[in-house]
Amino acid sequence: QVQLVESGGGVVQPGKSLRISCAASGFTFSRYGMGWVRQAPGKGLEWLAVATSFGTTGYYADSVRGRFTISRDNSKNMVDLQMNGLRLEDTAVYYCVKGVGHNYGNPFDYWGQGILVTVSS
Amino acid sequence: DIQVTQSPSTLSASVGDRVTITCRASRSVDKWLAWYQQKPGKAPKLLIQEASSLQRGVPPRFRGSGSGTDFSLTISSLQPDDFATYYCQEYNTYFLVFGGGTRVEMK
Repeated sequence: QVQLVESGGGVVQPGKSLRISCAASGFTFSRYGMGWVRQAPGKGLEWLAVATSFGTTGYYADSVRGRFTISRDNSKNMVDLQMNGLRLEDTAVYYCVKGVGHNYGNPFDYWGQGILVTVSS
Repeated sequence: DIQVTQSPSTLSASVGDRVTITCRASRSVDKWLAWYQQKPGKAPKLLIQEASSLQRGVPPRFRGSGSGTDFSLTISSLQPDDFATYYCQEYNTYFLVFGGGTRVEMK
């Protein structure tokens, strides 16, 4: 069965960096786009980034472009999100998501359990 | 960028009620719209893609319709398990956008 397991969350100070990771299993990882979605406490869902199946191209929401970088390693079935210049408003649960297709324009049929990132001084 | 507006933000209903949630995009997204259900403390679950295509295992009381800019999610007879928050998402472009969500609560 498909599993997406996030790791690397925690508390970080404003302006600092954090890298979160997602280990995928149960499907042919290299065939699907992968992404990240976050949810601030008590708020709605916000799409952040997606990497196409070959991992050569990442697409980003305006709110994180230039600060966050998505990357994937198809040999390890892993997708990461490098977050730089973190702000208080980046505090959220971050979900790793699997696209239904290989490219960027797809809904997400599997979600991880989510990992909390708290930006606080 | 496309804006996606969901309404209502909160809906009070009873078991057995027919409920409809609407989603409007600021410009056409053709049929590229999905619906998700999220329960408290859980990850969202994909219910419908391509505006009306039900995911495997989703009960047929859920129905999606619409195209272009106006879409709806209808639950024909609300069940106890359906009290949750529902989100639409457009995926017509590089930049995916979620609606603000509709919380379906018990009347």
